[in-house]
This record gives sequence, structure tokens and C-alpha cells, in this order.
Amino acid sequence: DAMVIQNPRYQVTQFGKPVTLSCSQTLNHNVMYWYQQKSSQAPKLLFHYYDKDFNNEADTPDNFQSRRPNTSFCFLDIRSPGLGDAAMYLCATSRGMRASGRTDTQYFGPGTRLTVL
Amino acid sequence: QKEVEQNSGPLSVPEGAIASLNCTYSDRGSQSFFWYRQYSGKSPELIMFIYSNGDKEDGRFTAQLNKASQYVSLLIRDSQPSDSATYLCAVSNTGNQFYFGTGTSLTVIP
Repeated sequence: DAMVIQNPRYQVTQFGKPVTLSCSQTLNHNVMYWYQQKSSQAPKLLFHYYDKDFNNEADTPDNFQSRRPNTSFCFLDIRSPGLGDAAMYLCATSRGMRASGRTDTQYFGPGTRLTVL
Repeated sequence: QKEVEQNSGPLSVPEGAIASLNCTYSDRGSQSFFWYRQYSGKSPELIMFIYSNGDKEDGRFTAQLNKASQYVSLLIRDSQPSDSATYLCAVSNTGNQFYFGTGTSLTVIP
């Protein structure tokens, strides 16, 4: 089945130790997104790629970086995790905006739960 | 980020009743509107999308959109205990970005 896969599902890291989260998709979608979701909060968009075109949200901390080496894979790098970065990290994909200006649906992976000790 | 507002609840309805969930958004340029369901500890899953003013029905779910009032709602008919979850409203503009509300927690009481 076509899907969005995230690895690992659970990640534990130490304060300040760099960590990389992985996302892959078999949907062949143009757009890939990274969200951060803390308990009882809305998913917060960090950045997205349209193909190789990177789009950063204005309030995304510099501590968060992303790479998309090809259509299928996207990585989230947290350079120096702090206690406040503990959250669920969600990857999503979409075909993107149509010619009509309407945006196609997003499909989410299962998420990676990050714990910072 | 653009604002998307939802009543956080919790909203409790008896089994078989209609649950009504509401959402307002600030960006008048928004073109696309989505409702997602999220169970505790899981990722969001799509329930419905709506692009045009009016109602859109899919099974027990009806989405309603009023762009003039910047308002979108979700009705769940014949609510079931398995509908108990957090319902997230998401809005997209013409730039591929999605902005989510904080969600409304729904409990369906058997």
C-alpha cells in the first residue's frame, strides 16, 4: 500500500545531542511537510518542500533543519535538542496546490515521539 | 502563522446524537479546508475536505463552509463511541501551507 513512513517511531536523545528523524513516502507526492505537535496543541508547521524547493516558516527556530535528497525521502535534523523540543514530529505529504488554487489533501505518517533527557 | 480557532471542549454527546464542531480562521485568502480526526498518541487522519461554500456530505459526516463569515463546521450524525477523539480543523492558502487549530475533544457517551 502507498503510504508515509516515519522512522524511528520513538527517539530518545540527550540534551544538546544532534538527532535526525526520517520520513519516506511511496505516494510520489510533490510536497513533504514537517510538523511539531506538543501535548494538547495544534500541529505546528515547521517547513515544507515543494519538490526540492524549501519553504521555512518564519518562526521555525534555526535549531531545526531539513533535507530532501530525493522525492521519496525527507529528513528533520535537530542540531542541539533542548527540553522544549520534546514533542511528536509528524511528516505529511500532499500533491500540493492545483491550478485552481486549491490544495490537495495531506496524508500523515505515524509520527516520531521525541524525548529529550 | 495564520490563526485557526476551535473550541477546545471537551464536547460530550450521547451515543446516537449529533455532534457539532466549529472552526474560524483569520486568513481571507484561504482556499481549502480540512477536518482531521486524531486519537490520543496517533497521527491525524483525514475525515473530509471542502473547497466551496455550502454543505458537503460523506456518510455520517457533513462539512459546512461559509467563506464570508470565515467559518467551517463539521457535523457528525448518529455519533458512536468510536468517534471519541480530537477533531482538528486545518486551513490552507495558495502556498501549500496548512495551518491547524488546537482541536476539539469529543467524547461520545454510550
